Amino acid sequence: SQQGEEDPQALSIQEGENATMNCSYKTSINNLQWYRQNSGRGLVHLILIRSNEREKHSGRLRVTLDTSKKSSSLLITASRAADTASYFCATDRRSGGSNYKLTFGKGTLLTVNP
Amino acid sequence: GAVVSQHPSWVICKSGTSVKIECRSLDFQATTMFWYRQFPKQSLMLMATSNEGSKATYEQGVEKDKFLINHASLTLSTLTVTSAHPEDSSFYICSVSGGPAYEQYFGPGTRLTVT
Repeated sequence: SQQGEEDPQALSIQEGENATMNCSYKTSINNLQWYRQNSGRGLVHLILIRSNEREKHSGRLRVTLDTSKKSSSLLITASRAADTASYFCATDRRSGGSNYKLTFGKGTLLTVNP
Repeated sequence: GAVVSQHPSWVICKSGTSVKIECRSLDFQATTMFWYRQFPKQSLMLMATSNEGSKATYEQGVEKDKFLINHASLTLSTLTVTSAHPEDSSFYICSVSGGPAYEQYFGPGTRLTVT
């Protein structure tokens, strides 16, 4: 079953504005990751936040994790047109042995208008 | 992170034929490789997990006889879509893992169109 659910499904903003995307999940997790996907391309890993962390920064990205609410948010500050992409959260859980499974949310399509 | 390539990047095939997609880990020994499918404007759905030298573990609802996965070496996994149907048209993405198993590095994807 789909673990992560992002909202909004689509977000359109002007260059320079901040973009916030949210992700909710249903079961306990080890880590939560955010990925970016340009149209028709593979995924690029943005940031990983562990279940015992509450906030993490990487450049213009800020991720928060609230395990009590089973939710995470991704904030992109001072957005640029090049940030236009789909953003997915993914939760991981052990699937047997040393294998983990990533379960992806439905994604948020971010459009940054110049 | 690891550099992962997929070949071909896109392929068109006729219904009933088989098509093979390669996933290569160029600079990384991938003990585990994953295959995902992504339909337009949808999320990635895990199809199967393969460990080098072992049989792949398929997700529920994925036909193992239709989607043949071979992970023969630490740098190469192949996905063969057999007897392709138009509904198999999708974007297929592989990922590799060799360290902490939750760290996966993704290939650029292969667009399959079955006519």
